[in-house]
Amino acid sequence: EAGVTQFPSHSVIEKGQTVTLRCDPISGHDNLYWYRRVMGKEIKFLLHFVKESKQDESGMPNNRFLAERTGGTYSTLKVQPAELEDSGVYFCASSQGTGRTQYFGPGTRLLVL
Amino acid sequence: EDKVVQSPLSLVVHEGDTVTLNCSYEVTNFRSLLWYKQEKKAPTFLFMLTSSGIEKKSGRLSSILDKKELFSILNITATQTGDSAVYLCAVEAYTGANSKLTFGKGITLSVRP
Repeated sequence: EAGVTQFPSHSVIEKGQTVTLRCDPISGHDNLYWYRRVMGKEIKFLLHFVKESKQDESGMPNNRFLAERTGGTYSTLKVQPAELEDSGVYFCASSQGTGRTQYFGPGTRLLVL
Repeated sequence: EDKVVQSPLSLVVHEGDTVTLNCSYEVTNFRSLLWYKQEKKAPTFLFMLTSSGIEKKSGRLSSILDKKELFSILNITATQTGDSAVYLCAVEAYTGANSKLTFGKGITLSVRP
């Protein structure tokens, strides 16, 4: 069974540009989560989808971040316009149900110059 | 604010040694505590603990949770170089249909031959 996949693995962009990250959860997992690790800090929650609905987006830093999950399968996280402090590793996780084990993808390493 | 503290931050041991990794937490609406191992990319799931005092084991790894004192330990016996990794502790907060993980900074374990 394929695990959680994320694309791209690395992205380097300039401040002010737009970047879109993609996450494909484990097949059949209705719950999808985005997390972020900024250098030197712990991994922090961004938001939680149940199918195509945003269940909790309390961790989203500001309105430059937009997450979507049309159709309830894969999800995208767009950062527009990107700022220097957005640099970090963006992880996606999925679970079969709320409260079930979350399985993580390899992350997308974003560097904003 | 929910908080997870792991100690030590890093550890260097020799093959064959036994190590104990610590995780303490303060979280509202606690549901479970999880341990992950992160080598290069995706954090891989090790254990989910929900009940106090019940040890979970997988090969040379074991973990236990104390919900009264709000901590967990992860033990690794007869360490091998392949155990070198960052070990992440995360606590799940669950409210109704919302679930999110709060992570510690991780413990970097290096096992020397």
